[in-house]
Amino acid sequence: GENVEQHPSTLSVQEGDSAVIKCTYSDSASNYFPWYKQELGKRPQLIIDIRSNVGEKKDQRIAVTLNKTAKHFSLHITETQPEDSAVYFCAASIGGGSNYKLTFGKGTLLTVNP
Amino acid sequence: DVKVTQSSRYLVKRTGEKVFLECVQDMDHENMFWYRQDPGLGLRLIYFSYDVKMKEKGDIPEGYSVSREKKERFSLILESASTNQTSMYLCATGGGGNTEAFFGQGTRLTVV
Repeated sequence: GENVEQHPSTLSVQEGDSAVIKCTYSDSASNYFPWYKQELGKRPQLIIDIRSNVGEKKDQRIAVTLNKTAKHFSLHITETQPEDSAVYFCAASIGGGSNYKLTFGKGTLLTVNP
Repeated sequence: DVKVTQSSRYLVKRTGEKVFLECVQDMDHENMFWYRQDPGLGLRLIYFSYDVKMKEKGDIPEGYSVSREKKERFSLILESASTNQTSMYLCATGGGGNTEAFFGQGTRLTVV
């Protein structure tokens, strides 16, 4: 089955700096790659996603890049703010039909220091 | 707004008990999932369902079963709870076809 590796497990940055979280996946058939943010005590929520026919996607301070050849995708957060502090999960999905499932990485705890 | 509701926020059960965790969604989504979240291990898929009465094993199904009698409800069953099943359990739902998954608020289960 699919295996998703996520690095680093913890990341500490100063407010205003950029943060990058990287993930690799094992199954070349995966075609959907979402990123979830989980604040302390809350449920994970989607922040951005990318499909395999796209190489990059941006939404304000957040961007995701995908390299299908290397089976690698990354989350980039610019101008970090304290409210960006959370656990971030990447995921990969196989299947375009109704029986898809999401396989998650182990998460990255991002701390943004004021 | 999508609503995914788990029946309990916190649950304490005894070893050997049969435990039911319930999840209800109001978005008419076909796909429902049960994940287990443990520190350092991320979100691990226990079971998923893509239709009523249809279920598939995820990555860690041992010790669990599921039931989906109605489209909006997906239940996780611990047949005989053990201490190593102490964890946060998250239900999720999705419309299928590589779209966003929505999570419930989670059930923190403690088995003593």
